[in-house]
Amino acid sequence: SQQGEEDPQALSIQEGENATMNCSYKTSINNLQWYRQNSGRGLVHLILIRSNEREKHSGRLRVTLDTSKKSSSLLITASRAADTASYFCATDYGNNRLAFGKGNQVVVIP
Amino acid sequence: EAQVTQNPRYLITVTGKKLTVTCSQNMNHEYMSWYRQDPGLGLRQIYYSMNVEVTDKGDVPEGYKVSRKEKRNFPLILESPSPNQTSLYFCASRRDRAGNQPQHFGDGTRLSIL
Repeated sequence: SQQGEEDPQALSIQEGENATMNCSYKTSINNLQWYRQNSGRGLVHLILIRSNEREKHSGRLRVTLDTSKKSSSLLITASRAADTASYFCATDYGNNRLAFGKGNQVVVIP
Repeated sequence: EAQVTQNPRYLITVTGKKLTVTCSQNMNHEYMSWYRQDPGLGLRQIYYSMNVEVTDKGDVPEGYKVSRKEKRNFPLILESPSPNQTSLYFCASRRDRAGNQPQHFGDGTRLSIL
């Protein structure tokens, strides 16, 4: 099945810096979602962006969607040590299934 | 508190011994789903259910069964587990069949099949 693909796969940054990760997909989508997973825990929903939206904000998170390039980006501003986690994008193709990417490990160094 | 609860959280068992992983949600959600997470492969969907008595295969259904007799429960059954089913399993729910909704995940069940 088609899946979102995150890039880069791993990111290590200093506390206070911004972290950006990208996700690409292959065909038209209804929406794209970003999730966070702390080690050993379940996924927590961060932001859902619909196909007719271009940008969305939630606190220190900013998500963009470019449907012409079939890509999305997640920006975490002013990162904190607590932001250390894996981040997944998931694409909703409208068939009642979510296709997840392989994840992006972010380490924020205090 | 709104949550998705999986049990057990950890299980080590042997090949061929039937096991069931339970999943329960208290949000009156119609849609429920099971995923497995493996290193380098991300999350892959096993089965999903749109409502009571309605289930469908996901991307990797082989070796698994599910049932949806009640709205809140969606157990995952491994009739004859094999070592390649060693994985981290997640149950998730969503409010209804309409799109543009996030999924709520349980904390996961780590299965080891020896």
